[in-house]
Amino acid sequence: AQSVTQLDSHVSVSEGTPVLLRCNYSSSYSPSLFWYVQHPNKGLQLLLKYTSAATLVKGINGFEAEFKKSETSFHLTKPSAHMSDAAEYFCVVSLSGGSYIPTFGRGTSLIVHP
Amino acid sequence: EAEVAQSPRYKITEKSQAVAFWCDPISGHATLYWYRQILGQGPELLVQFQDESVVDDSQLPKDRFSAERLKGVDSTLKIQPAELGDSAMYLCASSPRPYEQYFGPGTRLTVT
Repeated sequence: AQSVTQLDSHVSVSEGTPVLLRCNYSSSYSPSLFWYVQHPNKGLQLLLKYTSAATLVKGINGFEAEFKKSETSFHLTKPSAHMSDAAEYFCVVSLSGGSYIPTFGRGTSLIVHP
Repeated sequence: EAEVAQSPRYKITEKSQAVAFWCDPISGHATLYWYRQILGQGPELLVQFQDESVVDDSQLPKDRFSAERLKGVDSTLKIQPAELGDSAMYLCASSPRPYEQYFGPGTRLTVT
């Protein structure tokens, strides 16, 4: 069984300040973890993925995430928020190997103030 | 750049009516997914195809939902009869390999 918990439904930051979106997972086996972004009226886009290689993963648009097995966490960060980062972000867990059958979190809405 | 196509983009239907959604994946992508996303929640996987075969449909309400991908290319998701609780965004995604999904824009269904 696998599940993912996004700890904040909304995160509000000012432009130019750091972003932290929190995600904790539960998985019976070694997981693969992902972050997706969804802008209004647009399809989901993959930001980054962890599939058992380096624990610090760099993605697009300056985002990165660190896999911490001891804390069962995969938090998403960005050093400096931009207005265009305002969107819905989803953390996703899947078992490693074999078929990719993902479980999405409920999402975190990132609000960026000028 | 190739994209996943979905139609219609918006659909309003009355409860007890039948409704169908269509998805055309990126050419060459063997794996196709249908998700349902209720407002304020994350997408929920309904069915996954590998070519024309169903890999997982454990979350598909089979009493009213059906999905097919007859030739292993495009796919149709049907609901019959629609219920008020089916109002949601229905997303299609395709994948050339594990862990790499490309999503379409979705079909927003409103059941009245």
